[in-house]
Amino acid sequence: QSALTQPASVSGSPGQSITISCTGTSSDVGSYNLVSWYQQHPGKAPKLMIYEGSKRPSGVSNRFSGSKSGNTASLTISGLQAEDEADYYCCSYAGSSHVVFGGGTKLTVL
Amino acid sequence: QVQLQESGPGLVKPSETLSLTCAVSGYSISSGYYWGWIRQPPGKGLEWIGSIYHSGSTYYNPSLKSRVTISVDTSKNQFSLKLSSVTAADTAVYYCARSRWELPSLDYWGQGTLVTVSS
Repeated sequence: QSALTQPASVSGSPGQSITISCTGTSSDVGSYNLVSWYQQHPGKAPKLMIYEGSKRPSGVSNRFSGSKSGNTASLTISGLQAEDEADYYCCSYAGSSHVVFGGGTKLTVL
Repeated sequence: QVQLQESGPGLVKPSETLSLTCAVSGYSISSGYYWGWIRQPPGKGLEWIGSIYHSGSTYYNPSLKSRVTISVDTSKNQFSLKLSSVTAADTAVYYCARSRWELPSLDYWGQGTLVTVSS
């Protein structure tokens, strides 16, 4: 059970769109539409932004969207805002009632 | 409003057992869902430790399985983590959280508690 692969960092200017990728294998991301995404600001607990690949919990802005193609899931943030600057983690079901996280991506809003 | 609060020693000696409890308010654990533990070493990413279903079934990260025990006390509406034979590599912020829809969907989190392993 290896960690999912995410880019270490991404950046974008206010108003732009960015996409964070999350690459797994046919045993996790590729086999289940059960990828979630978390936003974590420094010193804070993670916050669920996307679940089941593309669903948003109540209260999460529709600027956040999720998708999947093959073994890679993606989080897209449109209309980038200063408060979006944070660390983002993907998480996938990995079969046999196991869960695996990605290594995390630091988003910088320029 | 669902709230989770971790508690336990902030300092544990090497080779000893780390014990944490997560008190849940605003929702009865016995009503459903998975309840889990996640940790984050300083400056590093998140790692799923394991989860327990409200019925008591447990699921552990294979890399930690030999050292982890998660249990639930529905009478106190809390669940607990025990991690044995700790080393400095187990130093981390430990979070408890609820999985609402399925295991990876952790919708409510505790604030986290830092546990340092040191003599």
